[in-house]
Amino acid sequence: DTAVSQTPKYLVTQMGNDKSIKCEQNLGHDTMYWYKQDSKKFLKIMFSYNNKELIINETVPNRFSPKSPDKAHLNLHINSLELGDSAVYFCASRRAGGVQETQYFGPGTRLLVL
Amino acid sequence: SQQGEEDPQALSIQEGENATMNCSYKTSINNLQWYRQNSGRGLVHLILIRSNEREKHSGRLRVTLDTSKKSSSLLITASRAADTASYFCATAPSKGTSGSRLTFGEGTQLTVNP
Repeated sequence: DTAVSQTPKYLVTQMGNDKSIKCEQNLGHDTMYWYKQDSKKFLKIMFSYNNKELIINETVPNRFSPKSPDKAHLNLHINSLELGDSAVYFCASRRAGGVQETQYFGPGTRLLVL
Repeated sequence: SQQGEEDPQALSIQEGENATMNCSYKTSINNLQWYRQNSGRGLVHLILIRSNEREKHSGRLRVTLDTSKKSSSLLITASRAADTASYFCATAPSKGTSGSRLTFGEGTQLTVNP
């Protein structure tokens, strides 16, 4: 009954590899996000999808490509991984409109690029 | 883009004491939210205060908002060791479709010593 889940929880890989992180939410929310949290805990938005449509695309290298097969899923594919990609990646979701505008976060995926 | 700044960066107190964290921001907001992040976990929403509200309470939490000074504070009363975590403020802008975007502060690391 996890609200927002991410897989894998940990990802250790070599520079140059391609990897994917998956996110699923069972809250019935319309909007999903990807955030990157660096070693100083600074949280920066990367992408947002609303009903499978990309609505926020920050200045992220095009090696990062989000994909939303349906509104309950938002995956993140990363090509040609670099050392600087090492971080914790959080998925989040939100119900569009309404009184509550809070975001619900997944547990994070800790990516380490060697 | 606006960026929240939190003060202090780190706070260490004894159990039973009150903890106050401050957040400043730069642009007009629709609301301001506070989140908690336990070590190795995702962010959890604590409380939301709207731009037309000045104070809000939830259990041992008290949040104030001063839009003239573009600042907010989070007070945790009668702190417990379990309150040890990082606390982030996040602002939702007042205009446009980017209203679904949250900009997070840099966080305050709170340590409550038993």
